[in-house]
Amino acid sequence: DQQVKQNSPSLSVQEGRISILNCDYTNSMFDYFLWYKKYPAEGPTFLISISSIKDKNEDGRFTVFLNKSAKHLSLHIVPSQPGDSAVYFCAASVEKLTFGTGTRLTIIP
Amino acid sequence: DAGVIQSPRHEVTEMGQEVTLRCKPISGHDYLFWYRQTMMRGLELLIYFNNNVPIDDSGMPEDRFSAKMPNASFSTLKIQPSEPRDSAVYFCASMRREGALGDTQYFGPGTRLTVL
Repeated sequence: DQQVKQNSPSLSVQEGRISILNCDYTNSMFDYFLWYKKYPAEGPTFLISISSIKDKNEDGRFTVFLNKSAKHLSLHIVPSQPGDSAVYFCAASVEKLTFGTGTRLTIIP
Repeated sequence: DAGVIQSPRHEVTEMGQEVTLRCKPISGHDYLFWYRQTMMRGLELLIYFNNNVPIDDSGMPEDRFSAKMPNASFSTLKIQPSEPRDSAVYFCASMRREGALGDTQYFGPGTRLTVL
């Protein structure tokens, strides 16, 4: 049973536009949410996180939104750049991380 | 810092053979995690250690999988006997806990395992 779901396996966005990656979860006990970015042949790297007591966290071009009532998490990247092309994993934590299956983001120049 | 080091980077073996994956965590990190990545299931946590002690191995798929952490700077994940369905990328990650377990985990580059 997937407790963290990323229903879009892939997403293509024009350079300079906004990229929105979505994530849904089922376990209301999750208290911390993270996004990781993964390039081919490399391990995932931490991007941004949010505590369950907040609904928004911003870091430069990256903003994560949390809607606890909908059990929904999203990552906004604006403006999108070619270097943002990667696989993005959302993850949720209660004592340990549970990852989604990932969304492959392609930024079109 | 060299980051998390994993070896080998690629492993090709035949069904029934024993496979050992190795990991050196970042110095000073007190948590170590083993993950498996597949297309169907994404990143799955197999097992994690705290101060070299296994805390949760509920993600280990079956008895063919075992993991050890004999000291703070080394861990192994062993598959014996290996099967074609074990083919995946295996990641090791480490973390220094400074608060909640939402602290950042640092991943190694992974070992791509192919079992023929």
